Amino acid sequence: DTGVSQDPRHKITKRGQNVTFRCDPISEHNRLYWYRQTLGQGPEFLTYFQNEAQLEKSRLLSDRFSAERPKGSFSTLEIQRTEQGDSAMYLCASSLTPDGGPTYEQYFGPGTRLTVT
Amino acid sequence: AQKITQTQPGMFVQEKEAVTLDCTYDTSDPSYGLFWYKQPSSGEMIFLIYQGSYDQQNATEGRYSLNFQKARKSANLVISASQLGDSAMYFCAMREPNSGNTPLVFGKGTRLSVIA
Repeated sequence: DTGVSQDPRHKITKRGQNVTFRCDPISEHNRLYWYRQTLGQGPEFLTYFQNEAQLEKSRLLSDRFSAERPKGSFSTLEIQRTEQGDSAMYLCASSLTPDGGPTYEQYFGPGTRLTVT
Repeated sequence: AQKITQTQPGMFVQEKEAVTLDCTYDTSDPSYGLFWYKQPSSGEMIFLIYQGSYDQQNATEGRYSLNFQKARKSANLVISASQLGDSAMYFCAMREPNSGNTPLVFGKGTRLSVIA
């Protein structure tokens, strides 16, 4: 197992275009999280999935953002009509939580750096 | 109000010396978890150490230890015998309540530079 992977690593797009990012979590990890990190800040939570169910969305996730995890494995994050304020690093993390059990750490991917021009 | 406060934007340490990175937190929930992550220039967040609010002893992981002072709501990271490869951003994070459902809340980070 090679850890959490994200694709692409870098994306440059023009304002108004749609972009889609992919995250492949660690195999068998049932939880998958999306965070956004802007320059000089720590990551901020966007949304998370348990298996294929999206359980929580931050108020940061405007209606231009949508995330899916259709088969409970990989996830996609789409941003429609991108704005310059969307420029950030988008981080994906996964964790394994047995039913009813605690989890301790989230394993992060390398991130996708989005630049909106 | 900020949940996690890291007051040191940048820190310098001499190679082989110990360094303490500060973190204070704000919560009224008795159940919470505290985490430290390292972010090198490559961007990936690397988990370093975890402390649960009910844990009796301070957490240690190799050269990393967490100085947990519950009454002061502080969870400082101590790195012993600094190495050049320790140069990175360090983030303190909290999960409250401390259950698997809860996402992490991060501080703004401290940039550590290790000098040869």
